[in-house]
Amino acid sequence: DGGITQSPKYLFRKEGQNVTLSCEQNLNHDAMYWYRQDPGQGLRLIYYSQIVNDFQKGDIAEGYSVSREKKESFPLTVTSAQKNPTAFYLCASSLTRDATEAFFGQGTRLTVV
Amino acid sequence: RKEVEQDPGPFNVPEGATVAFNCTYSNSASQSFFWYRQDCRKEPKLLMSVYSSGNEDGRFTAQLNRASQYISLLIRDSKLSDSATYLCVVGADNFNKFYFGSGTKLNVKP
Repeated sequence: DGGITQSPKYLFRKEGQNVTLSCEQNLNHDAMYWYRQDPGQGLRLIYYSQIVNDFQKGDIAEGYSVSREKKESFPLTVTSAQKNPTAFYLCASSLTRDATEAFFGQGTRLTVV
Repeated sequence: RKEVEQDPGPFNVPEGATVAFNCTYSNSASQSFFWYRQDCRKEPKLLMSVYSSGNEDGRFTAQLNRASQYISLLIRDSKLSDSATYLCVVGADNFNKFYFGSGTKLNVKP
């Protein structure tokens, strides 16, 4: 079955550590996105990528980094520079033509301990 | 100003009621419009796309008003299972970014 997979589902990080969240899709989508959601709030865009080896900052990119070495994969690293990383992280993908929707992974819940 | 704005609610309605949500967007060049449903602690899932001519899917009807820059979602004959947060989503004019509203929470009571 085609879809978008995030791992792990739950992640605990000590302060000062970098952690990497995985996102893989087999939908042959060109565009991939990372969003952050805080309790009771909407989704905020961290980074997005339209094509392999290219990505752009979203609205809240500080303290995060990404790579897009393969079309299928768009990992997100939460660095120690991110001061408040505890949140629900959602990866999505979409086609970049026509008015097509975004498909989401099941999310990773990151907690700093 | 936010790209997409929604009333956060909650909307508390009895089963069988009709409820409507509105959402406004700021970029007049936006090309695509959607309603997503998000259950607690889950990922958003597409409920329906919104077309200029309006569209209906069972108990759900979506409308787009480009002149006033808002989209709406109407739910008829509400079910307990409709309880969720409904996210308004607007695609950028070049299809490479999506902007999400903060969501409207619906509670359907027996």
